[in-house]
Formats: sequence, structure tokens, C-alpha cells
Amino acid sequence: DAGVIQSPRHEVTEMGQEVTLRCKPISGHDYLFWYRQTMMRGLELLIYFNNNVPIDDSGMPEDRFSAKMPNASFSTLKIQPSEPRDSAVYFCASTFGTYNEQFFGPGTRLTVL
Amino acid sequence: QKEVEQNSGPLSVPEGAIASLNCTYSDRGSQSFFWYRQYSGKSPELIMFIYSNGDKEDGRFTAQLNKASQYVSLLIRDSQPSDSATYLCAVRPRGGATNKLIFGTGTLLAVQP
Repeated sequence: DAGVIQSPRHEVTEMGQEVTLRCKPISGHDYLFWYRQTMMRGLELLIYFNNNVPIDDSGMPEDRFSAKMPNASFSTLKIQPSEPRDSAVYFCASTFGTYNEQFFGPGTRLTVL
Repeated sequence: QKEVEQNSGPLSVPEGAIASLNCTYSDRGSQSFFWYRQYSGKSPELIMFIYSNGDKEDGRFTAQLNKASQYVSLLIRDSQPSDSATYLCAVRPRGGATNKLIFGTGTLLAVQP
């Protein structure tokens, strides 16, 4: 299995621009998670989906952030407009069922200038 | 008070020594506890999980859980330079069949050869 796939791996953009991060979970997994990691705040859960339905989005920082999962093999996290404080590494993870290991993708390093 | 707290370190130990990593959590109803390892520039990977009070051993790793005191620890015996990484403690909060994990900010471990 290829594992969780994320794209792009690095993104540099200017403040105010729209940013779209992409994730392909492991085939057969029914849960997908979006995390953000910074030195100051650590690894934070933004939102997670079960069977393509958002279950908990309480970690989404504000209306500038949105996430979708149109099908079982694809999800996007969009930031519009982006701000310098959004600079972080964004991880996508997936798992099957409840109480099982979450497998993380390689992450997208976002820099907003 | 943060929900999951870890000393950021760095924790420096000589090769062959025992490394002891600690984590405290605020929600007494938390259900299960996880230790992830994250190498610099890489994604987190699961090392161990523990649900019940006491010790759980897996090779050179031992997880210890004390729900009354609300702490969980990870011991690494015979530490190797390859163990040098950030160790993230994660807690599954109370609330039924939830897949949500709350992470600490991690402890950086440096094993000196």
C-alpha cells in the first residue's frame, strides 16, 4: 500500500492567496483526519471525517478554513484568504474503524509570506 | 491548563541508558493513551498504546499508565542514537466511540553516543 498521500509537499504563497491542500487516504480506511503542527501549539486536530461525513470540526480555527471529502479516496483542506499565521505543517491521517492506529501522511509544509 | 502536557526537553541520555518520558492529562475520563515518535521532518508514527492501569511492554519500550494520578509515561531501555526524536503523547478523550486524539507538544529526546 502506498500509504496516505498528500500534495503538495511544500507550498509557499503570499498573504491573501487561496491555498488548497490535498489528501488521499489509505484504501479501505473510513476515517480521515486533518492536523496542523506548529512549534508553539504542537499537533492540533482540525477536523475529521467518517465515511466522507465531517464528524468534528471544532478544531477549525476560523471561517477562512474549510475541508471537504467528496469521496472515500480524496479530501481537501482550503484556506482562503491565507495569512502568515497559517504557516505550519499540515498532516492528513487515516484509519479504519474506531480505536485503531492513525496512519499519517508525509505532511504539507505551508509558508505564507 | 493544557489538556495534554509534556516537557518539551530536550531530554539528553547516554547511549544504553533508560530514557523516561512523561505526560499528564487533564480529563479524568480519558479512555486510552498513545505514544507516537516523530523524527525531524517526518510524520508521527505510533509506538505504543495503553488502555489499562499498569505497565505494557513491547521490546525496549514500556508504557506506564496511572489513571488516578492522570499520567502516562514511556520508558525506553537500552537507548540508541536512532531513538533520538520527538515523542508525542496523545489521549483519546471521553465521549463514546470517538476517534479524536488530543496531542501534547512533544518531548525531544537526544541519545548521545
